[in-house]
Amino acid sequence: ILNVEQSPQSLHVQEGDSTNFTCSFPSSNFYALHWYRWETAKSPEALFVMTLNGDEKKKGRISATLNTKEGYSYLYIKGSQPEDSATYLCAFYGGATNKLIFGTGTLLAVQP
Amino acid sequence: DSGVTQTPKHLITATGQRVTLRCSPRSGDLSVYWYQQSLDQGLQFLIQYYNGEERAKGNILERFSAQQFPDLHSELNLSSLELGDSALYFCASSVNRGLETQYFGPGTRLLVL
Repeated sequence: ILNVEQSPQSLHVQEGDSTNFTCSFPSSNFYALHWYRWETAKSPEALFVMTLNGDEKKKGRISATLNTKEGYSYLYIKGSQPEDSATYLCAFYGGATNKLIFGTGTLLAVQP
Repeated sequence: DSGVTQTPKHLITATGQRVTLRCSPRSGDLSVYWYQQSLDQGLQFLIQYYNGEERAKGNILERFSAQQFPDLHSELNLSSLELGDSALYFCASSVNRGLETQYFGPGTRLLVL
């Protein structure tokens, strides 16, 4: 059974704080690692798709790094804002399964 | 707006019944995916169709089936419904076979009473 784990499960920060979360995934048969942002009462929205070891992607105040050899990815949010409050999901796409396996997410709450 | 549409938005039905959920992918996308999200679980992959053919299967129950039509829209059929089937069902689409970004629809919330 392939496991995609995210930590922490939830995070409460103050507006302006920078924060980061971790996604751990199998390091074999790696094809891609996805990050999605999921606001309450909406549907998941794609942030990044990362495929190469050492990849770094950035979108505004959000950035992500990838280490496929050790099987982890970090998502960073610089200067968190209340509108960043959401669940952040990572998902592993492996060649052995041909499907996206989602972690259970990190719930971020940013207090004004 | 992702460009993926799902109908209906909400569905309330009784145990033992059968329902059909419908999904239209983004224009140009060939793959359609179905996911289930229950209260105590994350997004669970059910099944993927690519250009009309089944491509990957996840934890889909035998009571559930899906298909993708020539116009690329997809339907998920859920039969002999049980209380535990109550969940949010998402459809997603992508351009090709699955490595790339998936675009999620707004979901169908199913309540089985």
